[in-house]
Amino acid sequence: GQNIDQPTEMTATEGAIVQINCTYQTSGFNGLFWYQQHAGEAPTFLSYNVLDGLEEKGRFSSFLSRSKGYSYLLLKELQMKDSASYLCAVARGSTLGRLYFGRGTQLTVWP
Amino acid sequence: EAGVVQSPRYKIIEKKQPVAFWCNPISGHNTLYWYLQNLGQGPELLIRYENEEAVDDSQLPKDRFSAERLKGVDSTLKIQPAELGDSAVYLCASSLRGGSDTQYFGPGTRLTVL
Repeated sequence: GQNIDQPTEMTATEGAIVQINCTYQTSGFNGLFWYQQHAGEAPTFLSYNVLDGLEEKGRFSSFLSRSKGYSYLLLKELQMKDSASYLCAVARGSTLGRLYFGRGTQLTVWP
Repeated sequence: EAGVVQSPRYKIIEKKQPVAFWCNPISGHNTLYWYLQNLGQGPELLIRYENEEAVDDSQLPKDRFSAERLKGVDSTLKIQPAELGDSAVYLCASSLRGGSDTQYFGPGTRLTVL
């Protein structure tokens, strides 16, 4: 399988900034996705990075460094509704269409 | 636009019984995926369809699991017979095409095998 590593849990307070890291080891890298999943609900797409650098989308940004096998998801101005699991997923060129997911990072936002 | 629809949302069965899950993808999406998600884990691909063809089923336990997408639209995943270890959430996703196209997930079916 693919080695995709992300922290199991993180906590933060409302209004703060949190960075969720994801490291991976894979051959034929073809992009990295971040999904948000609230308990009992479907994973919802947040971002996709295939080139190095930062992609900003409102309060959420995602960064990728292919040489380091590293990505992070940055959440600004945290809100209670951001409490969820954040899943990092890697795509490989040799198995197009298959996403390899990490275990997810459970983020809890406190008031 | 409607998202990916799955039914049922919850299913409780006794071991050795059969069970089936249904998925209707987003309209116009050619690629359909079935994933299994255990508690505290990320989803794992079971099978991927391009239209009606299963193009990646290497992770599907074929002794008890089967799937079909006869007309290239909706799909059914079946387990027969179910085992205790099959208790999990079964997620369906779809994308416009395969490759690295964004996958959109349904709410899943939570299966409990007693």
